[in-house]
Formats: sequence, C-alpha cells, structure tokens
Amino acid sequence: DAGITQSPRHKVTETGTPVTLRCHQTENHRYMYWYRQDPGHGLRLIHYSYGVKDTDKGEVSDGYSVSRSKTEDFLLTLESATSSQTSVYFCAIRVDMTGETTFGSGTRLTVV
Amino acid sequence: AQSVTQLDSQVPVFEEAPVELRCNYSSSVSVYLFWYVQYPNQGLQLLLKYLSGSTLVKGINGFEAEFNKSQTSFHLRKPSVHISDTAEYFCAVSYNQGGKLIFGQGTELSVKP
Repeated sequence: DAGITQSPRHKVTETGTPVTLRCHQTENHRYMYWYRQDPGHGLRLIHYSYGVKDTDKGEVSDGYSVSRSKTEDFLLTLESATSSQTSVYFCAIRVDMTGETTFGSGTRLTVV
Repeated sequence: AQSVTQLDSQVPVFEEAPVELRCNYSSSVSVYLFWYVQYPNQGLQLLLKYLSGSTLVKGINGFEAEFNKSQTSFHLRKPSVHISDTAEYFCAVSYNQGGKLIFGQGTELSVKP
C-alpha cells in the first residue's frame, strides 16, 4: 500500500508479554502514525511521529510506546500486552499538507 | 473537543439503489474533509477529499460528497450502488490546516442483490 509495509501481518501473543509492531515506509514522509481499529470506534490514534526521535501521544496511548530512529521506520511497542489490546493496528503516513493519509495493510494482533 | 460523527453504523441497500452515508463534524474555521473505504481484510483507501472551492467533490468508483459549511456536514452519495461497494466507509477530518486525521466510527454499507 503506497510504500508502507507493516510486520507482522498477524500475531497471537500471551498476556503480559511485550510485543513490537513494525512499520516501514519507502517514501521519506515526515509524519507517521499508529492507529488501532475496533468495532464501533473507528480508528483511534495511538501515537504519532513528526520526525526522527520526535513523537507524541494520541488519544489512546496508555500501554503503548513508540520509537523512530530512522525516517523510514516507526515501531509500536506494547509494553505488557493485555486482552484489551487485541485489535487491528494500522500504520499510516501523511502524504501532503492537507492531512491526506495513506495506510498500511494492518496487523491483526490477538492477546490471549 | 474536535469530533466526527457518522450517523449510521449500518446501511443496508439493494443493488442499483441510491445511497447516502452521513457525516457531521464539529465546527472549525478551517477543515479538510475525507472519505475512506475499507474492503474486508484490507487497509483504508482514499475515496475523495474536500480541500476548498466547489462544495461538490467527485471521487473514485462513482462516489461524490457535498460539503455543507452551515450544517457542518460532508455526506457521501452514490446514485446507483453495486454489490462490490459493500465495505466499511470512514469519514475523517483534518483540523488546523493539515493536522492529524480524526475519524468517525465508520458506516458498514451492505449491498444486497
């Protein structure tokens, strides 16, 4: 999807374990985002980045951390996974100054 | 707080019938408006966007949307739907000239033969 690769595509993990999701872009965009998608809630912003080492919280950031050491890579870490973090996670990049955003294919995470 | 409301969580419609998916946003001086579509097990794809100018915006797959500033709405329409239009549709708003997107809760469009 427009130069965005998410990995893994699917993951099952146990409660209490740390999990890292990866997002890689090939288009050198400054802004990158992590959203989660849950039925009835649409997409909710977890964290975003506006440059290397520059990140900020979104509306549902508790229990998550992010890192961006290179322009092309944006990592989302669940510090200690809980069942409430079972969701589909989307990485996205902002492609222009209007806020238009392109999405990756998503990672389906199940916490058991 | 800035917000987006999609007024229908599910819209069932018969093939070749017209459809309207409703979206309202909280008022702001400057907004950019988007509709995205998500087919099953896929990511989100941009359908159309309103930036400025003409209030009627045409998008892909025959969809169009009308920006109404006085009613703070951005409803999506298609005059004749196909089975292949079955998907979830998301309205999104960018405030402050290009800030991060805020999404509505989504509308599931189900087209039946």
